[in-house]
Amino acid sequence: NAGVTQTPKFRILKIGQSMTLQCTQDMNHNYMYWYRQDPGMGLKLIYYSVGAGITDKGEVPNGYNVSRSTTEDFPLRLELAAPSQTSVYFCASSRVAGPNGNTIYFGEGSWLTVV
Amino acid sequence: GQQLNQSPQSMFIQEGEDVSMNCTSSSIFNTWLWYKQEPGEGPVLLIALYKAGELTSNGRLTAQFGITRKDSFLNISASIPSDVGIYFCAGLETSGSRLTFGEGTQLTVNP
Repeated sequence: NAGVTQTPKFRILKIGQSMTLQCTQDMNHNYMYWYRQDPGMGLKLIYYSVGAGITDKGEVPNGYNVSRSTTEDFPLRLELAAPSQTSVYFCASSRVAGPNGNTIYFGEGSWLTVV
Repeated sequence: GQQLNQSPQSMFIQEGEDVSMNCTSSSIFNTWLWYKQEPGEGPVLLIALYKAGELTSNGRLTAQFGITRKDSFLNISASIPSDVGIYFCAGLETSGSRLTFGEGTQLTVNP
């Protein structure tokens, strides 16, 4: 089972460059999320989407953009990369968001370094 | 956003000992999730809790959803070296669309 797939796994960017982290899920989940995790810290929500065509900001959206043109895909774009965006990025998805039976599944992470 | 306080930040224990960690929040959550993260990997779901007071086990792991809906704990019994990792609690807020994470508990198990 593929689950949540993120690419690339590792990337080094120069300051000011742009890039897109790809995320796709094959579970037909409505909800998708992007988190970042800094060393020794918990996960911070960047953006999330409750369905195709709908996106919302999380805790730390500055410097990022997302789109959700299909149920399966939720790419995260970094415009004008900055050293502060050096982090591990996790994409996640869930079928429904609610108190009955919802769980959230994560991809394996994308390690991004901005130099 | 909502804040989760997870404690302890780190634990160093001997193999065979029991472990307990907890999370508290100033706000109510509808769902509590416990994840384990190993180096270089994404978080893996261990236990999900959906009702206040719920006590759920998964092998040597036991977790409870606090009655007030503002806290949860995770116990690991008879720890083994492969339990090493970072354990995160996460709460799903009442709107159901955002998952907030604790800062994690780094567990080290000495053989």
